[in-house]
Amino acid sequence: KQEVTQIPAALSVPEGENLVLNCSFTDSAIYNLQWFRQDPGKGLTSLLLIQSSQREQTSGRLNASLDKSSGRSTLYIAASQPGDSATYLCAVFANFGNEKLTFGTGTRLTIIP
Amino acid sequence: ETGVTQTPRHLVMGMTNKKSLKCEQHLGHNAMYWYKQSAKKPLELMFVYSLEERVENNSVPSRFSPECPNSSHLFLHLHTLQPEDSALYLCASSRGGFSNEKLFFGSGTQLSVL
Repeated sequence: KQEVTQIPAALSVPEGENLVLNCSFTDSAIYNLQWFRQDPGKGLTSLLLIQSSQREQTSGRLNASLDKSSGRSTLYIAASQPGDSATYLCAVFANFGNEKLTFGTGTRLTIIP
Repeated sequence: ETGVTQTPRHLVMGMTNKKSLKCEQHLGHNAMYWYKQSAKKPLELMFVYSLEERVENNSVPSRFSPECPNSSHLFLHLHTLQPEDSALYLCASSRGGFSNEKLFFGSGTQLSVL
C-alpha cells in the first residue's frame, strides 16, 4: 500500500528566506505527483502537478522536483512571504488498489514577518 | 474561487439527524469526488463519480450515501452519524476520472456531530 510522508509536520522561517518542503512515497510506480496548498478551514488549491516522466515543474516562486526512483519530491519556495503561510500537502496518483490519489499529512508552514 | 462550491460551510448535527452536503462545479468537469479530512490524518477518498456513475467506494459506512444527479452536482446524504464522523468534508472535481488532470477542490463543509 502506498504511503506518503511529509517531514517536518511544521516549519517556521523568517520572511525572505528560501525554503524546501519534502515529500516521500513508498511505491515508485506512480503516474504523477501534485503539490497542494491548504489555508485553515479551507479546501485545497493545486499548485503544481509533475508527471512521472518529468523531473520538475515551475510556477512563479515555486519549483517542484520529482525523483521517482528514490520516491522523493521537494517543493522549493523562493523569497518567502507571509502570504505563503499555509499547510502544503503532496499527493501521488497511482493506478493500483483503491487509493488512486494518496495524500501526505502535510507540512504547516509559517512565514515570520 | 476554484469553480467548486460547497454548502453549507459549517454544519452541526445530532446523531439522529439527517442532513445533506451539496457540491456544485462550474468547470465542465466529468468526475467528482468526496474526501474526508480528519485532524492529523491524510485526506481519505470516500466516493468517486465519473460521468455520473459511481466508480469508487472505499468501504465507506452506509450512513454516508452519495448522489450524483448530473455531472455538475454531487450530494452526500448523512444519517445516524457518529461523533468520530466529525471532520472537514471536501468535494473535488477533475476533467476526467483517474486521469492525469489536476483536482479542483471546494472550500469544504466543517461537520460536527454531537
